[in-house]
Amino acid sequence: QVQLVQSGAEVKKPGASVKVSCKASGYTFSSYYMNWVRQAPGQGPEWMGMINPSGGSTTYGQKFQGRVTMTRDTSTSTVYMELTGLRSEDTAVYYCARSPIDGVFNWFDPWGQGTLVTVSS
Amino acid sequence: EIVLTQSPGTLSLSPGERATLSCRASQSVSSSYLAWYQQKPGQAPRLLIYGASSRATDIPDRFSGSGSGTDFTLTISRLEPEDFAVYYCQQYGRSSWTFGQGTKVEIK
Repeated sequence: QVQLVQSGAEVKKPGASVKVSCKASGYTFSSYYMNWVRQAPGQGPEWMGMINPSGGSTTYGQKFQGRVTMTRDTSTSTVYMELTGLRSEDTAVYYCARSPIDGVFNWFDPWGQGTLVTVSS
Repeated sequence: EIVLTQSPGTLSLSPGERATLSCRASQSVSSSYLAWYQQKPGQAPRLLIYGASSRATDIPDRFSGSGSGTDFTLTISRLEPEDFAVYYCQQYGRSSWTFGQGTKVEIK
């Protein structure tokens, strides 16, 4: 079955960087975008950006431009999200989620299990 | 950026009752790119509805979506105990995705 498995929880100090991974299985890796979404405690989801695993092209949300980098490794069907210049407001659960590249509709399914990133001094 | 406003913030209902959740967009949204998700505590969101009205795989038919333009609705015809959760709408437009702030459906 289609599955996205993320790396484990991280604790970082303000100003540091974090890199979260998301390993895909059960489908053709290059046929779907991979998105990153974060959710702060008690808040709704917030889209950060997406990567096309086929060529590696990326689209980032305006809020995260300059601080986020998304990459992929096609040999292991894994995508990575690195966020730099961490501050306390970046404390959140970070999710990866698949979306179609082609087709009439657009949606996120499935989602990874989430990775808690805590930023604290 | 298109802003999605969900109402009400919290809906208090009993099992067996009908739930009607609203999602209003700040500007017109393509129905093809409007989705609904369910999230339970400690879990990732789960896709319920895509294309404004199409149920995702294995989603029971008590869930239905409707609407177009700027006004969209998620209806749960008869609430089951497992339906008490938070629901989010989502849209794609101008190369970015946005989510509503959510509606919590709680047991009355």
